[in-house]
Amino acid sequence: NAGVMQNPRHLVRRRGQEARLRCSPVKGHSHVYWYRQLPEEGLKFMVYLQKENIIDESGMPKERFSAEFPKEGPSILRIQQVVRGDSAAYFCASSPPWDREAFFGQGTRLTVV
Amino acid sequence: QKEVEQNSGPLSVPEGAIASLNCTYSDRVSQSFFWYRQYSGKSPELIMSIYSNGDKEDGRFTAQLNKASQYVSLLIRDSQPSDSATYLCAVNWGGSYIPTFGRGTSLIVHP
Repeated sequence: NAGVMQNPRHLVRRRGQEARLRCSPVKGHSHVYWYRQLPEEGLKFMVYLQKENIIDESGMPKERFSAEFPKEGPSILRIQQVVRGDSAAYFCASSPPWDREAFFGQGTRLTVV
Repeated sequence: QKEVEQNSGPLSVPEGAIASLNCTYSDRVSQSFFWYRQYSGKSPELIMSIYSNGDKEDGRFTAQLNKASQYVSLLIRDSQPSDSATYLCAVNWGGSYIPTFGRGTSLIVHP
């Protein structure tokens, strides 16, 4: 009974490259949330998706960031033309449609050099 | 601006004591409340959820909710050094599925 799976766990990108972060929710969970966490700071909401739909992207920067949750396969958070300020831990969480409890993956630590 | 407020701490308690962690929130119509524990360098782990006024107990943990005062707390009885972590309060505004997090309270349990 696998939990939320994120990969890669660590990602190093040079400035200007693209970063792709993947999240496979708990089996049966149709709601996915992405958060960003900077050192010594709280979790900042980025985007909430259901299968094939972006429900709320109010926390996601308008430029360079995009997210998807296709009918088949994991949810993807994509950051284009990364900058040093994008360095952070990115967490994905999922919840089932019948409950509000959200469970987190292990996160992807993105470092931009 | 809807806010979830927590004292950043650190809260330091001796082993065996009761640790009391507090959280206030700004939206009166919030319905779902959660406590997560996050060890340094790790991901948040769900400890408790509470939806109704009153107390909810699970082992050494008790969550307390007072919607009139817009206040939710977490009590940890018989605190252990392994409880040392950051505790995050999360609130779902209204009927939303999205958890909004406070900045967390750092708890240190010393032997």
